[in-house]
Amino acid sequence: GQNIDQPTEMTATEGAIVQINCTYQTSGFNGLFWYQQHAGEAPTFLSYNVLDGLEEKGRFSSFLSRSKGYSYLLLKELQMKDSASYLCALGGATNKLIFGTGTLLAVQP
Amino acid sequence: EAGVVQSPRYKIIEKKQPVAFWCNPISGHNTLYWYLQNLGQGPELLIRYENEEAVDDSQLPKDRFSAERLKGVDSTLKIQPAELGDSAVYLCASSLRDSDEQFFGPGTRLTVL
Repeated sequence: GQNIDQPTEMTATEGAIVQINCTYQTSGFNGLFWYQQHAGEAPTFLSYNVLDGLEEKGRFSSFLSRSKGYSYLLLKELQMKDSASYLCALGGATNKLIFGTGTLLAVQP
Repeated sequence: EAGVVQSPRYKIIEKKQPVAFWCNPISGHNTLYWYLQNLGQGPELLIRYENEEAVDDSQLPKDRFSAERLKGVDSTLKIQPAELGDSAVYLCASSLRDSDEQFFGPGTRLTVL
């Protein structure tokens, strides 16, 4: 089976940097996804890591270490609109996504 | 380009009543998914279609849930009869056959009273 852990809630200040961690235990997966979900809206794709290392996309970066069973999402220059839930998900061989419970990020002025 | 379309956006029913949700995926996306999302949780896969074939329905409670994708495009998810515990958001997503990236619709928020 697969077990994915994320912090339930985090708070950060506008303009700052925040790191959201995701640890997992699994027998195998193709890649690790991060999705953003605003309250009452659909999850939207942020990033995808297949290989170990850092993937950078503007203000968002995601890191993966398969040997450590660990990923993080890094958000820079935080904006109020970044307040949302951030979902870590493992992608399997059959396009199946297994989601964590999500981390609710609150950005304060 | 239009995204994944779902209707209705909200539905309130009494327990033991039937309910149906509709999804229109992104044009050209062969793969369609139905997820259930409880409050404060991540989405959980209910069923996955490749064209009109259900290739993974292992998490679908088949005693009360059913789904179809007759022409390999639109899909309908049905619950009959609904129970209080079915109150959740039902998300539809689609992807290209060999792509890992899934695109989600806005979901249908179901409340069972």
